Amino acid sequence: GAVVSQHPSWVICKSGTSVKIECRSLDFQATTMFWYRQFPKQSLMLMATSNEGSKATYEQGVEKDKFLINHASLTLSTLTVTSAHPEDSSFYICSASNNLLRDTEAFFGQGTRLTVV
Amino acid sequence: KQEVTQIPAALSVPEGENLVLNCSFTDSAIYNLQWFRQDPGKGLTSLLLIQSSQREQTSGRLNASLDKSSGRSTLYIAASQPGDSATYLCATPGAAGNKLTFGGGTRVLVKP
Repeated sequence: GAVVSQHPSWVICKSGTSVKIECRSLDFQATTMFWYRQFPKQSLMLMATSNEGSKATYEQGVEKDKFLINHASLTLSTLTVTSAHPEDSSFYICSASNNLLRDTEAFFGQGTRLTVV
Repeated sequence: KQEVTQIPAALSVPEGENLVLNCSFTDSAIYNLQWFRQDPGKGLTSLLLIQSSQREQTSGRLNASLDKSSGRSTLYIAASQPGDSATYLCATPGAAGNKLTFGGGTRVLVKP
């Protein structure tokens, strides 16, 4: 299957600072990337969908000014958690696709464990 | 709105036993259904994708079936091994075909 690389795999930051997480599709062009958040022992919660070259579409309840998403190229999307607080500590996972998910598989990155202290 | 449920939430079996994992969905008008494996602290690994026109898909010891009329998919893992211990998630795209709806997952423990 296709390879999606997420970096870093874990990060610890101080409260009030910003953290950037990268998601790269290594062997295909990702027209759409998805960002999820996962709490312990729970399933994935979609935060936003981004299409290359356009603004991300955020799910209800997700603060777009707090979770900045940039999808500037067909192989790279970034999620920046701005002014992070301890409640933002979570596991963040990206997914990439080169077509609508009704027509193709979804491929996921390895996830990023964010701890805000 | 599509809802996806996985029961049980956790399952423990002795090594060698066959695993049967259930996934149910409320809207039978699905495009496809995908099964994933997630190891602790890791991302998701795609296991099988079943298109709406298919009844089953097989890959090695894994077999997934799909019954749209009853809103169910089942993942069978034959002759389970301790390495099969993980959380298994099913997901299906929504009506617009551009977002996945996930089940809550089944946490599997295979005891040696």
